[in-house]
Amino acid sequence: AQSVTQLDSQVPVFEEAPVELRCNYSSSVSVYLFWYVQYPNQGLQLLLKYLSGSTLVESINGFEAEFNKSQTSFHLRKPSVHISDTAEYFCAVSVNGNKLVFGAGTILRVKS
Amino acid sequence: NAGVTQTPKFQVLKTGQSMTLQCAQDMNHEYMSWYRQDPGMGLRLIHYSVGAGITDQGEVPNGYNVSRSTTEDFPLRLLSAAPSQTSVYFCASSHLTNTGELFFGEGSRLTVL
Repeated sequence: AQSVTQLDSQVPVFEEAPVELRCNYSSSVSVYLFWYVQYPNQGLQLLLKYLSGSTLVESINGFEAEFNKSQTSFHLRKPSVHISDTAEYFCAVSVNGNKLVFGAGTILRVKS
Repeated sequence: NAGVTQTPKFQVLKTGQSMTLQCAQDMNHEYMSWYRQDPGMGLRLIHYSVGAGITDQGEVPNGYNVSRSTTEDFPLRLLSAAPSQTSVYFCASSHLTNTGELFFGEGSRLTVL
């Protein structure tokens, strides 16, 4: 079975500072990896995904994540955060199509 | 575009009552699923379906039933509600060919007293 560990439950950061949200996974087979974002009182939205190919994947709003197979990690980074990035972020893994296993989530709080 | 629509948004039940959470999508997605979200535990898969007439269990199926009579609808039934089923429930759908790209509804918050 697969599992996902998000190492920080909350990450406070000042506006325009860089941020890294950490994600490690466990699986005995090859995986697909995802980051989803949840804004208050909304459903989750896909932020970015790694299926194959380049290990560095980017989103349209400046986030990026790098798949590191040797460290079984898929950390999410942004070089400069905005107030509007305040949300909860979920890392997820799949080995079989759309059956995703989610981590516990990391709340990103961006302060002015 | 409606996307994934869940009803009701809020519901309070007494222990032992039954109810159905409705989920409908208008994107012709083959795959539909139900998750529950609990603080500190992320989202856990309850049931899923890869097409009309086909359903399967996820990680936490006990106490829940589903059916998929049409492509559009995927209702979740609580047979005899328990306080442990107090949670926020999300329906999500996807094309089978779009690996992991789930579209989520806005959630249904259920409280069981």
